[in-house]
Amino acid sequence: DGGITQSPKYLFRKEGQNVTLSCEQNLNHDAMYWYRQDPGQGLRLIYYSQIVNDFQKGDIAEGYSVSREKKESFPLTVTSAQKNPTAFYLCATQLEPRGNQPQHFGDGTRLSIL
Amino acid sequence: AQKITQTQPGMFVQEKEAVTLDCTYDTSDPSYGLFWYKQPSSGEMIFLIYQGSYDQQNATEGRYSLNFQKARKSANLVISASQLGDSAMYFCAMRVPNAGNNRKLIWGLGTSLAVNP
Repeated sequence: DGGITQSPKYLFRKEGQNVTLSCEQNLNHDAMYWYRQDPGQGLRLIYYSQIVNDFQKGDIAEGYSVSREKKESFPLTVTSAQKNPTAFYLCATQLEPRGNQPQHFGDGTRLSIL
Repeated sequence: AQKITQTQPGMFVQEKEAVTLDCTYDTSDPSYGLFWYKQPSSGEMIFLIYQGSYDQQNATEGRYSLNFQKARKSANLVISASQLGDSAMYFCAMRVPNAGNNRKLIWGLGTSLAVNP
């Protein structure tokens, strides 16, 4: 099946620990995005990538890091520098970064502090 | 400032009736796109409908239609013949040019829709 796979569905982080959220897609889309969603809030952009080996900071990049070594994969690391990481994280893809196509989303990862 | 405003935190509708979810936007750029997404309680974000700023006609997709009033800067979502499965959060988003010729989405805070049997 074509789609976007985020894993794990639920993740718990200890103090001082880095954790990595996975996002894999087989849609052959060029652009990939990471969003954070807090309760009662809209989505806020963390990082995005238009092509392999390139990525840009979004509005709330501090405390997060990403890589784009393959077109299919765009993992997000939540570092210990992110002091309030509890949120719902959504990965999205888009066929072309400057097109008018919609972004398509994975099922999300819920991250909590232990 | 570029902004999306959804003024209805929560809405109720009777099954089989139509409902309108409001969205107003603010941008000085003549080229923009407007999107509506549905987010069920399970969390995934589902694309519903798109309207481009230069589109002459209102967008329609099945039971979803967009009431686009450019002069008023509004892009309201109309859901006809509501179903129980329509109960969800609904987000309006706007795509605008960003730095370096990139484009990003600006999101509203959403409207929670409950469909009553």
